[in-house]
Parts: sequence; C-alpha cells; structure tokens
Amino acid sequence: DGGITQSPKYLFRKEGQNVTLSCEQNLNHDAMYWYRQDPGQGLRLIYYSQIVNDFQKGDIAEGYSVSREKKESFPLTVTSAQKNPTAFYLCASSIDEAGDNYGYTFGSGTRLTVV
Amino acid sequence: AQSVTQLDSHVSVSEGTPVLLRCNYSSSYSPSLFWYVQHPNKGLQLLLKYTSAATLVKGINGFEAEFKKSETSFHLTKPSAHMSDAAEYFCVVGEGYSSASKIIFGSGTRLSIRP
Repeated sequence: DGGITQSPKYLFRKEGQNVTLSCEQNLNHDAMYWYRQDPGQGLRLIYYSQIVNDFQKGDIAEGYSVSREKKESFPLTVTSAQKNPTAFYLCASSIDEAGDNYGYTFGSGTRLTVV
Repeated sequence: AQSVTQLDSHVSVSEGTPVLLRCNYSSSYSPSLFWYVQHPNKGLQLLLKYTSAATLVKGINGFEAEFKKSETSFHLTKPSAHMSDAAEYFCVVGEGYSSASKIIFGSGTRLSIRP
C-alpha cells in the first residue's frame, strides 16, 4: 500500500544533541513537507521541498535542517540550536508543491521529547 | 493575507445527534478549503476538500461541508455522531495555486462524543 512512513514513533533527545527524524514515501509525490504540532495549536510549517535537491524554509525553520537527496526521502534534523524541540512532528507529501488542490497525505508522526 | 479561524476549541455532542464544527476564513483570492481529522498520536487524514466546484462538499465517514462565500465560512457537519468520530479536526485554507508557505492550518477543534 502507498503511504508515508515516519520513524521512530517516539524519540527522546538529551539537551545539546542533534536528532534526525525519518520520513519516507512511496506515493511518487514530488512535494514533501515537515510540520510541527504543539498542544492547542495548528500545524506550523518547518521546511518543504518541491523537488529533489531543493527545499525551502517554512515559518519556523530556525534550529532545523533537511535534505532531499532522493524523491522518496525527506529527513528532518532537529539541531541543538532548537531551544524548544519537544513537540509532535508530522511529515506530509502531495502531488504538487502547493498541495492545496489535492490535499496532503500525512505520516503518523514522531513525538520528540527532550530529557 | 489569508487566515483561518476555528470558532470552537472543543465541541461535545451526544452519540446520534448532529455535529457542527465551525470554520471561518479570510482570503484575497479564490480559496481552496479542507477539513482534516486527527486521532490521538496519529497523522492527519483528509476528510474533504473544496476547490471551486460544488459548494456542498461530501467527504468520508458521512461528513460534509458547505462553502459560503458571503459568510466566508466552511463549517463541517454530520447528521448523526458516532463514538468513532471523537478526534481533533482541522480546517485548512490555501489560496488557489499557492506556495506551501501560504497554506494555513486552523488551531483545531476537539470533538468529544457522549454515550
């Protein structure tokens, strides 16, 4: 079945560490996205990528980095520069870059906790 | 500039009674509008979308929404609530064919179902 796989489901990070969240899709979608979700808030865009080897900053990119070396994969690194990384992270993909005419397909999320 | 407002952070209804989740939007152009559902610790699932075709949009699980331009609203309804409908619901607005950075998520409405 086609879909998006995020791993791990739960992740614990010590202060000062970098961690990488995995996102893989087999939908042949060109565009991929990373969102952060905090309690009582909507989703906020971290980074997005329209095509391999290209990506754009979203609204809250500081303290995060991404790469898009393959169409299927869009990993997110939460760096030590991100001061408040505890959150639920959602990866999504869409047929086109905007996603607004077709909607997004979401992964099941990774819950990151700083310990 | 575009924005989306979900008027209720929490809605509670009895099983078998109607559901109404309210969403108002602001957009300078013809908007694309979506409703997504999120079950606990899961990703978001697309319920329905409006993209300038019929103003009454039918989605999955018996949900529907009506686009009312004069009221700038896109409320989500269901005639009869089921226990499995308990979840968080997000209204999303995008402006026509727009960049991912211009797709805005509402802050969410948590729907509770009483037996």
